[in-house]
This record gives sequence, structure tokens and C-alpha cells, in this order.
Amino acid sequence: DQQVKQNSPSLSVQEGRISILNCDYTNSMFDYFLWYKKYPAEGPTFLISISSIKDKNEDGRFTVFLNKSAKHLSLHIVPSQPGDSAVYFCAASGRGSARQLTFGSGTQLTVLP
Amino acid sequence: DTAVSQTPKYLVTQMGNDKSIKCEQNLGHDTMYWYKQDSKKFLKIMFSYNNKELIINETVPNRFSPKSPDKAHLNLHINSLELGDSAVYFCASSQDMSSTDTQYFGPGTRLTVL
Repeated sequence: DQQVKQNSPSLSVQEGRISILNCDYTNSMFDYFLWYKKYPAEGPTFLISISSIKDKNEDGRFTVFLNKSAKHLSLHIVPSQPGDSAVYFCAASGRGSARQLTFGSGTQLTVLP
Repeated sequence: DTAVSQTPKYLVTQMGNDKSIKCEQNLGHDTMYWYKQDSKKFLKIMFSYNNKELIINETVPNRFSPKSPDKAHLNLHINSLELGDSAVYFCASSQDMSSTDTQYFGPGTRLTVL
């Protein structure tokens, strides 16, 4: 039972355009959401996060939007650059004493020059 | 300097063998984790340790035993390896157990069981 779902395994975007990566979750207890970026042969690296008390968080070219009623979040990258080509993982954690991340299966983003 | 390092990077072994993967972090963090990335690419938490104490132990076979000799190290020992253990294993660390702490990941260890 996958509590965090990334339904698009891959996405291709032209350089300079917007990349939109989507993520859905099912667990109402999740209150903190993160995006990680992963290059081949490397571990995931933290990109951006959002708390459930917000609906938007922006950091440079990266913006995460959270729609709690739809249990949906998205990552917008604008403008997209070839160096953004990587696998993007959505992750979520919930209320409770243990800091446990539940990850999606990732979306491979390819930014074409 | 690598913040979270794992050795070895690749591990190929026969079924039934016992193997260990080592993890070290030089970030001064109190909490460390082991994740398994399966064939479907999901990253799943296996264990977490806070100040050398086991905090999270997901449904993982007893053949997997984490060992934390100190706060900077969390090693993973696997007994009687099975084909289904083939995966990429990631170590991670965070400052503590706070819900907003960023987790820093190692480069992963690709385990192949033949």
C-alpha cells in the first residue's frame, strides 16, 4: 500500500520551460513534505520542503505547492536547466515521535537542451 | 569531505553468505538511518538510531542487524543473504529526530546476491 505516489515515472522538458512534477499522498497524518533530487550513483539530496500549514514554498527556481484537500503536492522548476536532469523523489512525514520519511517511487526528469 | 559515506559502494556475493555495510557521518548528527531502495525504486526506511539507541525498526527480517558503535557510525550486518536482498542500501543522518530536520544521504551500496 503506497502512501506516497508519483504516477509519472518520467518527464521530458525543453530547457527554459517549466517542469512540473506531481505527487499524491493518502495518509491524512502527513504534515511535512519534502522533495529530494537524485543523480545516478549518488544519494538523494534535499531540495525543498513544505509544512502542512502552508500551501506554497519558494526557493529560487523551485516552488512546491501543497493542496491538502486533494492530498496533492507539486514541484515547479522554472526555468528548467539541463543540470536539473535527475530523479526527483517526493517524501512525507507525519505527526508522531519518530522522524520517518515515506518516499514515492520517483520521477526521472530530463531537461533537453 | 564527504558528509555521509558508505563502504563498499558495490557488493556482489553468493546466497547464504554474511556481509556488512559500513556507514559514517562527519556532520555531528545524532540520528542515523538505513533505507532500502527496491526494484520498484521506492526508498523504504529499515532502521533509525538516535544517540546509538534504536528508534525505528520497520518490518525487516531478523537477518538484518544494525550496529551503532558510536553516534558517527551505523553499520548494517546481513546474515544468510537471499536473492531478494538485492537492492541499493542508503545510509542517512539528521541532526536529531525533529520533524523538520533534513536527512543527508550517503551514495548508496548496491548489493547483488547471486
